[in-house]
Amino acid sequence: DAGVIQSPRHEVTEMGQEVTLRCKPISGHNSLFWYRQTMMRGLELLIYFNNNVPIDDSGMPEDRFSAKMPNASFSTLKIQPSEPRDSAVYFCASSSQQGLGSPLHFGNGTRLTVT
Amino acid sequence: AQSVTQPDIHITVSEGASLELRCNYSYGATPYLFWYVQSPGQGLQLLLKYFSGDTLVQGIKGFEAEFKRSQSSFNLRKPSVHWSDAAEYFCAVGARGSNYQLIWGAGTKLIIKP
Repeated sequence: DAGVIQSPRHEVTEMGQEVTLRCKPISGHNSLFWYRQTMMRGLELLIYFNNNVPIDDSGMPEDRFSAKMPNASFSTLKIQPSEPRDSAVYFCASSSQQGLGSPLHFGNGTRLTVT
Repeated sequence: AQSVTQPDIHITVSEGASLELRCNYSYGATPYLFWYVQSPGQGLQLLLKYFSGDTLVQGIKGFEAEFKRSQSSFNLRKPSVHWSDAAEYFCAVGARGSNYQLIWGAGTKLIIKP
């Protein structure tokens, strides 16, 4: 299994630009999570999908952030417009079923730098 | 509010020496507890988890952790570390009332001396 695949690995953009991060979960996994990792705030859950449906988006910082999961094998996280404070590592993770008993499988992350 | 505390930001251990990483949590009932490891430039990987039963839990890569209710702790141990264990280690607890939300510690960075 290829694991969770995220692209791009690195993204450098200017303030005000749109950024789209992509994630392909492990085949057969029906839960998908987007996390953000920063030195100041640690790991934060941004949004959680189950069976392609957003269940909890309370962690999305503001309206500039949006996430979609059009099918079981693809999800995007979009930031429009981007700001320097959005600079962070963004992780996608999937698990085989709903519930804490199923481990999270993380991708290698996208390091976003907004200048 | 629930919280997870990892008191040590960095720990330096000589290769071959034993390791203990500390984790304390605040939770009113029996928690679901986890340790994840993050190698440089990579995502997190589950080392082990505790839900119930035997309070000493075995994980991958030779790690183990012990749940101590009286101390609200879930410390991670390894008898002999290898250079490849250099990474950041995160303790997490399942959020009360949620079947998907984790409360994460700030992480402990493990440095291995040759």
